[in-house]
Amino acid sequence: QVQLQQWGAGLLKPSETLSLTCAVYGESFSGYYWSWIRQPPGKGLEWIGEINHSGSTNYKSSLKSRATISVDTSETQFSLKLNSVTAADTAVYYCARGVSGYSYGYGYWGQGTLVTVSS
Amino acid sequence: SSELTQDPAVSVALGQTVRITCQGDSLRTYYASWYQQKPGQAPVLVIYDKNNRPSGIPDRFSGSSSGNTASLTITGAQAEDEADYYCNSRDSSVNHVVFGGGTKLTVL
Repeated sequence: QVQLQQWGAGLLKPSETLSLTCAVYGESFSGYYWSWIRQPPGKGLEWIGEINHSGSTNYKSSLKSRATISVDTSETQFSLKLNSVTAADTAVYYCARGVSGYSYGYGYWGQGTLVTVSS
Repeated sequence: SSELTQDPAVSVALGQTVRITCQGDSLRTYYASWYQQKPGQAPVLVIYDKNNRPSGIPDRFSGSSSGNTASLTITGAQAEDEADYYCNSRDSSVNHVVFGGGTKLTVL
């Protein structure tokens, strides 16, 4: 059974860099895209981007200039960095994976990390 | 367009059938998936790739699609189905994933 466990700093100041890591347990890293998704308080889900085992990435257009997703296959982990954060980046951040290698139905989610940006 | 549109709120009487819809151009190319989210919890996938239910999801949940509209149907809604529901799909025009704005389902 696939399990995703994520961690990272929960309180940032404006202009700092958000950094989150997601560890994958119980499944091979290859053959899938691994995603980051966020949800501002009281709002809907927003896809940030994805990476596969070989490091190929896709990002939401509006975040592409600030977001970097990387992978460490030896540790079966992938990470999100988002630079120059503002209050608008305050959200619960989730890592996630599709139910299969060709599905965009995210059947596996991390527990979520609340990141608050405040001076 | 890289948007999926959902009605903000829908209500259903206990035991009745409700349909939640999701509209967008990307649905002409890619299947929709659906998520249930209760307060303070991570989303839970209830339907993927148009009409597939993950293990453990009750069969009162079903999905369908026609043209640019995908639908999630709950047949015989239960009190525990009260939640926010989100759709998503791939958008090939911008090569990323899009989510709908969510529908708050109230079970009366």
